[in-house]
Amino acid sequence: EVQLVESGGGLVQPGRSMKLSCAASGFTFSNYGMAWVRQAPTKGLEWVATISYDGSSTYYRDSVKGRFTISRDNAKSTLYLQMNSLRSEDTATYYCTRGPGITAYYFDYWGQGVMVTVSS
Amino acid sequence: DTVLTQSPALAVSPGERVTISCKASESVSTRMHWYQQKPGQQPKLLIYKASNLASGVPARFSGSGSGTDFTLTIDPVEADDTATYFCQQSWNGPTFGSGTKLEIK
Repeated sequence: EVQLVESGGGLVQPGRSMKLSCAASGFTFSNYGMAWVRQAPTKGLEWVATISYDGSSTYYRDSVKGRFTISRDNAKSTLYLQMNSLRSEDTATYYCTRGPGITAYYFDYWGQGVMVTVSS
Repeated sequence: DTVLTQSPALAVSPGERVTISCKASESVSTRMHWYQQKPGQQPKLLIYKASNLASGVPARFSGSGSGTDFTLTIDPVEADDTATYFCQQSWNGPTFGSGTKLEIK
């Protein structure tokens, strides 16, 4: 059974940093692209970043470029999202998702999500 | 960015057929996907690449369309289908529609 379990969320002040993790199991992690998708409270879904199966390629939405970094450790079957210079508009539930192949532009499995609140 | 437009809400009775539409601001070929999100849960993939049923999804769900106009059909609708349905395109940087909230009367 595919499982994606996020951790690392919470309350953070504007301008500070936070790192999210996603532990994957139930599939060969190193064969799949992964992505982060977020959802602001009572809002719709917003793609944040994608990383290829081997970590060689990364892609970001414009509003997080230069502030967020997606990475992965295939030996640990873990996906990360380093978030710097956080803003109030980054407040959302962040979902770890799996792509159907070596990259991730649609998402066949989702974690339960982790809440990130950016507020002073 | 490619904007996806969905109607905000629908209400139908159990056993009926419901169609949920999604219109793209530019052609996305067949790179359209559909998700179901029940309250308090993560989204679940229903349909990928316009018309392909995701693993484990009941055959009551189907998708169609290409270019700019897409449809998700549920036939027949069941009470458990109460959820918000999102379309998402992957032709030009992933973007999502704002969602259609489906109420079962």
